[in-house]
Amino acid sequence: SYVLTQPPSVSVAPGQTAVLTCGAGNIRTKSVHWYQQKPGQAPVLIIYYDTNRSLGVPERFSASKSENTATLTISRVEDGDEADYYCQVWEQDSDHFWLFGGGTKLTVL
Amino acid sequence: EVQLVESGGGVVQSGGSLRLSCAASGFIFTKYDMSWVRQSPGKGLEWVSAITGRGDRTFYADPVRGRFTIFRDNSRNTVDLQLNTLRVEDTAVYYCAKGAGIGSYPLDSWGQGTLVTVSS
Repeated sequence: SYVLTQPPSVSVAPGQTAVLTCGAGNIRTKSVHWYQQKPGQAPVLIIYYDTNRSLGVPERFSASKSENTATLTISRVEDGDEADYYCQVWEQDSDHFWLFGGGTKLTVL
Repeated sequence: EVQLVESGGGVVQSGGSLRLSCAASGFIFTKYDMSWVRQSPGKGLEWVSAITGRGDRTFYADPVRGRFTIFRDNSRNTVDLQLNTLRVEDTAVYYCAKGAGIGSYPLDSWGQGTLVTVSS
C-alpha cells in the first residue's frame, strides 16, 4: 500500500532553514498538501496543491516536489514555527483515501 | 468565517456506541464535502470518513468500515459520525474537516475536535 514517509523530528536553530521531507514512490504524480499542527491545536492547511500557500501563511514557507519526495522548506525559522507538520495526498487505492504522512515534529532550538 | 464545532465525545466502554456531531457555519454547506479525521493520543492524523455535499456518496477508511457511519443534514448544516462497536484503539480526538471535493483536494478548514475515550 502507498505510504508517505516523514522523518519523526527535525531540529533547527532560530533564523536557520528547516527542510521537511515527505517521501513516497512517484509522488510527483500526486497533489501534495501540508498541514501545521501546533501543540493542543487543530491542524491548519498551510500549503495546498504542492506549492500554494494558504492565506496568511508567511512567504518563509515554501514547498516543492521531485520524483519521489515532496519538501516543505521553512526559511528564517521562528520560535512560533515549532509544530508538527503533516503531508497528505489522495490515494484511491489505499485503505485511507486521504492519506497522511506520519508527521514531523519541528523543534526550534 | 468558516466555523466547525464538534460535539458528542466522551468515555464509552469497548463495544459501545457514540454519535459525534459537527455544526458548520460561514460557508455554503451543501457545496462542500466533509470529512472526519482522528488523532490518537501522541500519534499522527488518520482520515476516517467522508461524505459528499449532497450526501449521496460516503467513504470510509478500512479500520472503521462497517462500524462507523457518516451522515449529514443539509437543512441544519451538520455532519454526524455514528461510532458503533467501539474498540480501545478508536480512542482519539475526532476532527471535523471541510474539503473542497472528493479526490486530490485538501481539507481546508478544521474544527477543534472532540475526544473519544474507549475503555476496556
